Amino acid sequence: SAVISQKPSRDICQRGTSLTIQCQVDSQVTMMFWYRQQPGQSLTLIATANQGSEATYESGFVIDKFPISRPNLTFSTLTVSNMSPEDSSIYLCSVAGQDMSYEQYFGPGTRLTVT
Amino acid sequence: QKEVEQNSGPLSVPEGAIASLNCTYSDRGSQSFFWYRQYSGKSPELIMFIYSNGDKEDGRFTAQLNKASQYVSLLIRDSQPSDSATYLCALGSNDYKLSFGAGTTVTVRA
Repeated sequence: SAVISQKPSRDICQRGTSLTIQCQVDSQVTMMFWYRQQPGQSLTLIATANQGSEATYESGFVIDKFPISRPNLTFSTLTVSNMSPEDSSIYLCSVAGQDMSYEQYFGPGTRLTVT
Repeated sequence: QKEVEQNSGPLSVPEGAIASLNCTYSDRGSQSFFWYRQYSGKSPELIMFIYSNGDKEDGRFTAQLNKASQYVSLLIRDSQPSDSATYLCALGSNDYKLSFGAGTTVTVRA
């Protein structure tokens, strides 16, 4: 499976600010996703990051709050905008397996705390 | 996202025993099913996937799928303390999205 890295691994931010999270993959992948895992909860899909076009957002998530870029097949960013303490979560990127298989593999995550 | 229900935990088993985890889902059209293991403070790790009815074995892990009854299970044989983690059931869709269950925390007692 692909090797996935995320930056930063963790951050503490003040409310009202924004944070951009980077996801880098060591090989070209078609499907890339962003998830959120709130404290003590399971994973919720935020959006599918589409290369060369706008991201596709799930119900409850909007582009103004979570803008996503996907400039090429190995890189994506997720920005958490105008943060509030409710945004304190782990943010994870994932990629589908090789040859468009349905399995997904996750990056190490970014632990965000908003004060 | 699609509804996925996991049996409530936590689950505590003695070392060497079988841990049994269950997951039910609502969408009859679902075709792909996954089990992830998540250690505390770490990201989810894919341990099993199953697409067809029946059993699939990989080492000490067996995934079982019954599409007619809409459930998927995971058996961990000869449980070890290193198996202590939260196990997440996930349902895949044709557009490659995953819907996760709430997770079951397993503790293996030495």
